[in-house]
Amino acid sequence: DQQVKQNSPSLSVQEGRISILNCDYTNSMFDYFLWYKKYPAEGPTFLISISSIKDKNEDGRFTVFLNKSAKHLSLHIVPSQPGDSAVYFCAASGAGTASKLTFGTGTRLQVTL
Amino acid sequence: KAGVTQTPRYLIKTRGQQVTLSCSPISGHRSVSWYQQTPGQGLQFLFEYFSETQRNKGNFPGRFSGRQFSNSRSEMNVSTLELGDSALYLCASSWGNTYNEQFFGPGTRLTVL
Repeated sequence: DQQVKQNSPSLSVQEGRISILNCDYTNSMFDYFLWYKKYPAEGPTFLISISSIKDKNEDGRFTVFLNKSAKHLSLHIVPSQPGDSAVYFCAASGAGTASKLTFGTGTRLQVTL
Repeated sequence: KAGVTQTPRYLIKTRGQQVTLSCSPISGHRSVSWYQQTPGQGLQFLFEYFSETQRNKGNFPGRFSGRQFSNSRSEMNVSTLELGDSALYLCASSWGNTYNEQFFGPGTRLTVL
């Protein structure tokens, strides 16, 4: 049972435009959500997080939106840069199990010139 | 501040052998979590240790075990290796409180022949 889903395996965006990566979850006990970026043969790099008491969090070019009623979150990258090309994972955890992250399957983002 | 380090980075073993992987967390972090990444199953949570005690556990067989030392360094052991254990094993550390992001090491690539 995939509790965190990233339905788009890949996404291609032009440099300078907005990248929008989506993530859906099914477990209503999840209350903390994170986005990670990963290059091959490396560990994931933390990008941004949001708790369920918020619906938006910004950090520089990265903004995460959370829609609890739809059990949906998205990561916006503006403007997209070639160095953003990587696999992006969303992850979620629940109260009492904050260190037990459930990951989505990832979306490969390619930013083209 | 040094990041999470994992040793060894690469390992080749044969079926039936056992293996021990090591993880040194970021200084001050008391929580260490282990994840397995495979092409078929994605990133899956193995277990988490906090203050030398296993606090959370994923759905892996008993062949997978771990421990944490008083300096927060952690080891993971896999006994009676199977071909399907070939994977990238990732360690992540955090302060261990609610809503703390986890920081990942570069991983250990285990190949079982």
